[in-house]
Amino acid sequence: ILNVEQSPQSLHVQEGDSTNFTCSFPSSNFYALHWYRWETAKSPEALFVMTLNGDEKKKGRISATLNTKEGYSYLYIKGSQPEDSATYLCASNTDKLIFGTGTRLQVFP
Amino acid sequence: DAGVIQSPRHEVTEMGQEVTLRCKPISGHNSLFWYRQTMMRGLELLIYFNNNVPIDDSGMPEDRFSAKMPNASFSTLKIQPSEPRDSAVYFCASSLGGSPLHFGNGTRLTVT
Repeated sequence: ILNVEQSPQSLHVQEGDSTNFTCSFPSSNFYALHWYRWETAKSPEALFVMTLNGDEKKKGRISATLNTKEGYSYLYIKGSQPEDSATYLCASNTDKLIFGTGTRLQVFP
Repeated sequence: DAGVIQSPRHEVTEMGQEVTLRCKPISGHNSLFWYRQTMMRGLELLIYFNNNVPIDDSGMPEDRFSAKMPNASFSTLKIQPSEPRDSAVYFCASSLGGSPLHFGNGTRLTVT
């Protein structure tokens, strides 16, 4: 994988549903994996920075896992709420920080 | 801390004009990044600086784009001459070491 890829591109879920999405990144020369939350008309805000294979981080209802050997990270949201609606970006830091195109999440009440 | 400050928030200019975007990073941060957001390509890294030195400018689209960081508290991104395809939101971000990026509010550039 030469680029940072995220899937799905967009996701619509009902309030209360749990959801997850994927970030794939180059596994060679890996340094760190970042997750950001980007609300419309605002700027991206950091959720997690992960560096260790097998690492798992949690912030409230949001958690993330990291597999550096195979080059992927999952972001999970438990019990989605309408305020979780945003674009979720991941970025891989090898020699520079490259962003994926994001997963746009919409949570309907 | 006021965060990363970008100016102007909006810029509308005519094709061929020079455009200068400005960024003040968070005090103490040693890395500064310029990104461009478009519908087609998402967030693209244009250039980044470490300790005021440009490290990687391979993302700068062409010679019309230039960026400077004369000191630790100020950076500019200049487009000369501007073209309609340069229309986008330009974000500046700063960080310290491997910490997460802190983004400014962006400059929305429209070139007519």
